[in-house]
Amino acid sequence: EVQLVESGGGVERPGGSLRLSCVGSGFTFDDYGMNWLRQAPGKGPEWLAGISWNGGKIRYADSVKGRFTISRDNSKNSLSLQLNDLRAEDTAFYYCAGERGYTDYSWFASWGQGTLVTVSS
Amino acid sequence: QSVLTQPPSVSGAPGQWVTISCTGNTSNIGAGYDVHWYQQLPGTAPKLLIYTNTRRPSGVPDRVSGSKSGTSASLAIAGLQVEDEADYYCQSYDSRLSAFVFGSGTKVTVL
Repeated sequence: EVQLVESGGGVERPGGSLRLSCVGSGFTFDDYGMNWLRQAPGKGPEWLAGISWNGGKIRYADSVKGRFTISRDNSKNSLSLQLNDLRAEDTAFYYCAGERGYTDYSWFASWGQGTLVTVSS
Repeated sequence: QSVLTQPPSVSGAPGQWVTISCTGNTSNIGAGYDVHWYQQLPGTAPKLLIYTNTRRPSGVPDRVSGSKSGTSASLAIAGLQVEDEADYYCQSYDSRLSAFVFGSGTKVTVL
């Protein structure tokens, strides 16, 4: 069974940093692209960043470019997201998701349970 | 404001048929990018329901179907059941934003 487990969420002040992690199991982790998405309370999901199977291709949404950094360690079946210069509008549940399909035609086939990030002074 | 527009809510009695529309433009759905659908039960993560416009992952019943035409797509649920009460989101890719985009979401209520 495919399983993705996120961790690292919490409460942080504006301008602060957090590092989120996601560990995958039940599938061949380094066969697939991985992504981070978030969902603010009462809103729809928002795609944030994606990384190819070997880390060779990385892309970001404009809303987080320059502040968030995605990375992966296939030896540990893990995905990370470094969040810097946090803002109140970054408050949301953060999900890692496994990608299937082909580049811009891809979909998010499996999702973790999410980790909550709250940015508040 | 979401790039893809969905009705905020739809409802139907058990056994009825409901459809959810997802309207985009010429930089996303109308550009030929595929549409995918997700179901989100209360307090849980989104779950893939339909991929590549019409395909169902294993475990999704055949009373759920998807279609796409022009700048829009639709999700249909036949034989509505109580367990179908959830939020539903469409997803595609937008070439102007260079990003995956989601719909505003539709809440399905079983009367």
